[in-house]
Amino acid sequence: QLQLQESGPGLVKPSETLSLACTVSGGSISSSDYYWGWIRQPPGKGLEWIATMYYGGSTDYNPSLKSRVTVSVDTSKSQVSLKLSSVTAADTAMYYCVRDGGYWGQGTLVTVSS
Amino acid sequence: DVVMTQSPLSLPVTLGQPASISCRSSQSLAHSDGNTYLNWFQQRPGQSPRRLIYKVSTRDSGVPDRFSGSGSGTDFTLKISRVEAEDVGVYYCMQGTHWPYTFGQGTNLEIK
Repeated sequence: QLQLQESGPGLVKPSETLSLACTVSGGSISSSDYYWGWIRQPPGKGLEWIATMYYGGSTDYNPSLKSRVTVSVDTSKSQVSLKLSSVTAADTAMYYCVRDGGYWGQGTLVTVSS
Repeated sequence: DVVMTQSPLSLPVTLGQPASISCRSSQSLAHSDGNTYLNWFQQRPGQSPRRLIYKVSTRDSGVPDRFSGSGSGTDFTLKISRVEAEDVGVYYCMQGTHWPYTFGQGTNLEIK
């Protein structure tokens, strides 16, 4: 059974960089059959697709965040990582790792506050 | 960005009765590869979203057959044939045809 587990600091200071990891178990992270994504949901609000990483390492970033987002994969650790720089309170959200949209992690809440 | 508009945003339903949610996109979701990448998600209170339907009408594994999806182009519908208590939550449509992928605002289904 494929499982995705997000991890990272729950509290980030304004202007700093948010760094999250998604550890994949029960399946291969290196397959041309799937893509990996990051989605976020501010408290009490809707869903926003942040970024997608495809097999081979190509990426798509949401233009609204493109200048601040980086997604990468570490196959040795079976991890997909998200970095979001220059964060503000507007980046406070539950962050989810997904595979294709069919598999979701439990999410990790990141609060941006001094 | 493609705007996804759901209606209604609030849906009170009596147990055992049918329910229907509409989702309209600002552009056609027909992809050049012949597929239409319209998904439906359910988010129960306190849980991660769960995909119910992908490519308009294909149910994910384990999804009860009382859930069905239909539509084409810019107009899509999620139907629940008989609402059960476990169906309470927020339902989102999402398009995966045009980047960036976008979600509807969500429809809050509650039991009347």
